[in-house]
Parts: sequence; C-alpha cells; structure tokens
Amino acid sequence: QLVLTQSPSASASLGASVKLTCTVSSGHSSYAIAWHQQQPEKGPRYLMKLNSDGSHSKGDGIPDRFSGSSSGAERYLTISSLQSEDEADYYCQTWGTGGVFGGGTKLTVL
Amino acid sequence: EVQLVESGGGLVEPGGSLRLSCAASGFTFSNAWMTWVRQAPGKGLEWVGRIKSKAVGGTTDYAAAVKGRFTVSRDDSKNTFYLQMNSLKTEDTAVYYCTIGAPIDYWGQGTLVTVSS
Repeated sequence: QLVLTQSPSASASLGASVKLTCTVSSGHSSYAIAWHQQQPEKGPRYLMKLNSDGSHSKGDGIPDRFSGSSSGAERYLTISSLQSEDEADYYCQTWGTGGVFGGGTKLTVL
Repeated sequence: EVQLVESGGGLVEPGGSLRLSCAASGFTFSNAWMTWVRQAPGKGLEWVGRIKSKAVGGTTDYAAAVKGRFTVSRDDSKNTFYLQMNSLKTEDTAVYYCTIGAPIDYWGQGTLVTVSS
C-alpha cells in the first residue's frame, strides 16, 4: 500500500530558503505527487504537480519562489526568499486508485 | 474563474444521514474528476471519495473508512457533485472539501459536518 511520509515540522528564517520532503513508500518510487499549501484558518491551495523525474507544473498564480525536485523516492518542495505568508501546513498527495495524503509538514517562518 | 461552492453541512446525530452538494462553475464540469476530501478538527487532510468523468466510465473510489457508508455522485446537467453520507459516526466530524482534478488542482472553501448527540 502506498504511503507518503512527511516530517511533522520545519522552520526557517524570513528571507531564507527551506526544502520540504515527501517520501514515497517502497515500490512506488515512480509515482508523481502534488503539493498543497494550507495557511492558518484557510482552505488548502494547490501548488504543483511533481513528477519522479523532477519536472513540475505549478498552479495558477503560484510564485516562482516555489519549486519542486525529485530524487529516487523523495519528492521535494523548495521555497526560497521565505515570506511570513509562507507559514502554513504543506501536504503531498497522490491520486491513484485511492488517493493518499501525507501527514503534512507545519512550516514556521522565524 | 473556477468556483466550487459546497453546501449541506450541519449538525447530525450519530447514525444519521446528510447529503453534501458542490456547485461547480468556470470549467467543463463533465470532463472533470471530482473528489471529496475532509479534515477533522486539528488534523490533516483525508481523501474521502472520487468519481471520474463519464468519458472514462464515471467509476467511483472510496477510502476504507467510508466505503459502504458514503456515496459520491454527479449530475453533469447541473454541474453539481454530491456526497451522500449514511450511518454517520462521531469520527466523521470534519470540514468537507469539494475538489477537482487528478491531481487535485482546485479546492472549494469547505463545509463543516458535525456528528454529535
């Protein structure tokens, strides 16, 4: 069964960069994922689709500061020039026969 | 502009039923794969159920936690997506989001369902 694993929390300073990780379970390393952002007290927002080869396509209006990359079973979301509004929960997701979400990473901007 | 507007949430007793609706606009609804996602208070996102477009069979898939109790359906003539929830349990209490796409690329604002006596 496919499982997506995310660290529960991460932190970085205002203006710095941060790299969040989503690990795809064994046997599923070719799977694409999507990244979603949920700011406090708001609904989620789609950020991008990220393929196993690192190619990605972003949603409408997503700033260039957000990018994705892949290595093996790891899927990464990199946010550069961190802003206060980037403080949010970030979820990865797949959409096969049954959809799966990772547990989410709470990003704190210091 | 894509818009997804959920309705039908509210308070229901354990064992009861509720039907959520999602009114969609701004895209070709009949071509879209539609999914319900929920979020219990203070918890992460949970995939609930999905219906594919009729062009690829209109088939449905469900999370194990709701299979046999929840049913997703669509009315392409009304651009509306539904979630029929039966035999509700307290653990079904959550905000329910209507979404489109595979992967999900648009989210509604959500509707709160509270299952409590």
